[in-house]
Amino acid sequence: DVKVTQSSRYLVKRTGEKVFLECVQDMDHENMFWYRQDPGLGLRLIYFSYDVKMKEKGDIPEGYSVSREKKERFSLILESASTNQTSMYLCASSRGGNYNEQFFGPGTRLTVL
Amino acid sequence: AQSVTQPDIHITVSEGASLELRCNYSYGATPYLFWYVQSPGQGLQLLLKYFSGDTLVQGIKGFEAEFKRSQSSFNLRKPSVHWSDAAEYFCAVGANQAGTALIFGKGTTLSVSS
Repeated sequence: DVKVTQSSRYLVKRTGEKVFLECVQDMDHENMFWYRQDPGLGLRLIYFSYDVKMKEKGDIPEGYSVSREKKERFSLILESASTNQTSMYLCASSRGGNYNEQFFGPGTRLTVL
Repeated sequence: AQSVTQPDIHITVSEGASLELRCNYSYGATPYLFWYVQSPGQGLQLLLKYFSGDTLVQGIKGFEAEFKRSQSSFNLRKPSVHWSDAAEYFCAVGANQAGTALIFGKGTTLSVSS
């Protein structure tokens, strides 16, 4: 069974802290994605990666960075967390090629105080 | 630029009744279209997708969607709703030439009444 796992379901951090959100997939997928989900706004793409060490900005990259050192792992980094980054963060992966199905993790609900 | 509109924020349907969720897209060429479902506390799951060919697409869990180019729509339908269908539904369109990223609509929450 295909699987995308995220390191935490719930996370509480303080303003100014550096935050790491980890995502691991076991499907040998080329593409990995980080989305932010907010009520009334749907899913917004933060960053995606189509290969190891490769990354592309999505619609809302400001305040975030990413790292992909291994094919199966894609990390989202909040360099200095702010209260407006309180949100649900979803990771997804897909095979390379045109618009293959994205498989999603369960999400991390991050609260920044 | 590509965009997706889901006009209905929240819909309530009686169990056993039919369902139609609306999705309109804006895209210059032939779009790649998707419907995903998110059950409470879960990640998203693909229901169905349209790339080309037959404009009526069958998906999982008894759902289907029809692509209508003239109306720029890709509405999701189910003939008889079950209580377990209560969830949030997202329409999405392919966003870039590389065939990787998607643009999601803001979602429609479906409630099922008994």
